[in-house]
Amino acid sequence: AQSVSQHNHHVILSEAASLELGCNYSYGGTVNLFWYVQYPGQHLQLLLKYFSGDPLVKGIKGFEAEFIKSKFSFNLRKPSVQWSDTAEYFCAVTFTGGGNKLTFGTGTQLKVEL
Amino acid sequence: GAVVSQHPSWVICKSGTSVKIECRSLDFQATTMFWYRQFPKQSLMLMATSNEGSKATYEQGVEKDKFLINHASLTLSTLTVTSAHPEDSSFYICSARGRGALQETQYFGPGTRLLVL
Repeated sequence: AQSVSQHNHHVILSEAASLELGCNYSYGGTVNLFWYVQYPGQHLQLLLKYFSGDPLVKGIKGFEAEFIKSKFSFNLRKPSVQWSDTAEYFCAVTFTGGGNKLTFGTGTQLKVEL
Repeated sequence: GAVVSQHPSWVICKSGTSVKIECRSLDFQATTMFWYRQFPKQSLMLMATSNEGSKATYEQGVEKDKFLINHASLTLSTLTVTSAHPEDSSFYICSARGRGALQETQYFGPGTRLLVL
């Protein structure tokens, strides 16, 4: 069965540090890839998405992600995090033939310290 | 644009009662709505997918008679937890997908926290 894994469950960074959150999926076919963010007490918001084209995708709030097909990965990056980036980050994937259903990773809790 | 609301935001009920949760797309027509359940410190688990005017499709392991889903219009879907028990306590989240450019992405509601006593 298709699955999505996020290896980092908890990440603690200081402000201005660089961020990279890992996301891998298991599926040999075509995928659409998403990163969602959930700030404390708020609903899920879309950070960025990849469907096709340039594998380096830029999203909101300075985030970007790179799709590396050979590694089945879609890692999220930000060069310099801020305290306001403290949130939970979810990678999600839709698989062809899956009826556009999102399969979520387990999430990464990011805490940015001042 | 693409705003989804849920009502209520939280609810406490007694064991054995039924609870209805509403999910509305406020500024677009939602051809498909999804219902998820999120346990503390865990990811979202898809419960069911509903298309306007047709029966919901439930994921494996989700009791369709316990979690009744109705998608009666292009802006409203409801989830009714029937005969709720304490193990049904959870965070229920809906999402919606529209037409055209809004078909590519699911837009999420703020969630409903259910506590069954």
